[in-house]
Amino acid sequence: GAGVSQSPSNKVTEKGKDVELRCDPISGHTALYWYRQSLGQGLEFLIYFQGNSAPDKSGLPSDRFSAERTGGSVSTLTIQRTQQEDSAVYLCASSLGGSGGGTQYFGPGTRLLVL
Amino acid sequence: AQTVTQSQPEMSVQEAETVTLSCTYDTSESNYYLFWYKQPPSRQMILVIRQEAYKQQNATENRFSVNFQKAAKSFSLKISDSQLGDTAMYFCARGENNAGNMLTFGGGTRLMVKP
Repeated sequence: GAGVSQSPSNKVTEKGKDVELRCDPISGHTALYWYRQSLGQGLEFLIYFQGNSAPDKSGLPSDRFSAERTGGSVSTLTIQRTQQEDSAVYLCASSLGGSGGGTQYFGPGTRLLVL
Repeated sequence: AQTVTQSQPEMSVQEAETVTLSCTYDTSESNYYLFWYKQPPSRQMILVIRQEAYKQQNATENRFSVNFQKAAKSFSLKISDSQLGDTAMYFCARGENNAGNMLTFGGGTRLMVKP
């Protein structure tokens, strides 16, 4: 079956612009995660959605970052007024559930470059 | 912060030989899970192996096995009969069941398999 997909693969933007990154999880997966991979910070958790519950936003680095998940499926990560330090690879993952140590399946990521 | 540490930034191994990647972690939870993920240059994170902390038996997946030492909070990955396709970044990660299983990653080990 289809894996996790993300779009766009690469995004170049100018400082101060807003960007939207999209994630399509595996069908039937109720848990969805966003992570950021950067040279300086490594891999870090951003936000977690589980079904219809309120998301866990504890990893979001600033209020410029937000995410939503519509219909329990597709998720969009929005970064407002981008800064150069936002340059990173943004990875999305999904799993069957958020508990029980379910394996997270990752998408190919979106590489964001802020000029 | 509760961390995951990979002390070997880079390693190399000859094709067909065995290599062990180290990982230590910190946690105050009793119910958690440990993972090794592989990230080749394509950027796609691929699950290599998974271990439930409540299981004493070490997980194995074909040429990949772990040495899980719970008391020492150590979780090393052994790759037997190394193949050129094993060349990649390897990340150790911990998920805690009461925290939605979001993953905390180590800094990664870059493995090069030489012909």
